[in-house]
Amino acid sequence: DQQVKQNSPSLSVQEGRISILNCDYTNSMFDYFLWYKKYPAEGPTFLISISSIKDKNEDGRFTVFLNKSAKHLSLHIVPSQPGDSAVYFCAASVSSYGQNFVFGPGTRLSVLP
Amino acid sequence: NAGVMQNPRHLVRRRGQEARLRCSPMKGHSHVYWYRQLPEEGLKFMVYLQKENIIDESGMPKERFSAEFPKEGPSILRIQQVVRGDSAAYFCASSPVSGAGQPQHFGDGTRLSIL
Repeated sequence: DQQVKQNSPSLSVQEGRISILNCDYTNSMFDYFLWYKKYPAEGPTFLISISSIKDKNEDGRFTVFLNKSAKHLSLHIVPSQPGDSAVYFCAASVSSYGQNFVFGPGTRLSVLP
Repeated sequence: NAGVMQNPRHLVRRRGQEARLRCSPMKGHSHVYWYRQLPEEGLKFMVYLQKENIIDESGMPKERFSAEFPKEGPSILRIQQVVRGDSAAYFCASSPVSGAGQPQHFGDGTRLSIL
C-alpha cells in the first residue's frame, strides 16, 4: 500500500531547461509535504516544503506546487543545472500524528550539459 | 548533511550476529528518527525517539530490532541475530522540535551488509 507515489523512476532534462518532478498521494490526511534531494552514498538533503494551507512555495530555483483536490504535488527546478542530478524524494506527513514521514520511491533526475 | 553524525558508515555482519548503529543528532536537536532504505526503494520510517523515550515505533519490526536514545550519548539502533534481509541503508534524522512544519535533517547513513 504505497501512500506516496512517484511514477517516474527517472527523468532527463537539458541544462537550462525546466525540470518537473511529480508526486501523488492517497492519504487525504497528509497536511505537510517535503522534497528531499539525495546524492549517492549521502543522506537526503531537505530542499523545500509546503503545508496544505498553501498551494505554492518558492525558494530560489525551486518551486513546489500543491493541488489538494488532485492529491498531487510537483517540484519545478528552473533553470536546471548539472549539479541538480540526483534522486529526488517526495515525503508527506500528518502533523497531528507527529513526525512520521512517508517517502515516495524517488525519481532520478539527470541534467545533461 | 553536516551535523547529524552516523557511525559506522559501513558495517558488515554475518548471519546471527548483532549490529549496532549509532546516531548523534545535530546540536540542539532532541528528536531522532530512524529510517531504512532497501535498494531501489524510498525510505521507510522505523522509530521516533526523544531523550529517554520512544514516541512512535510503529515502523519497527516486532522482533530483533530495538532503539534507544539515552540521556547522555548517541541514539542506538540495535539489530539482534541479523538475517540477509536486514541488508539495507539505515538513516538517522533529527529535528529541534516536533510538530507541524518541521523538516528532518538526515545523516549520511550506515550501510549494513549481511554475509
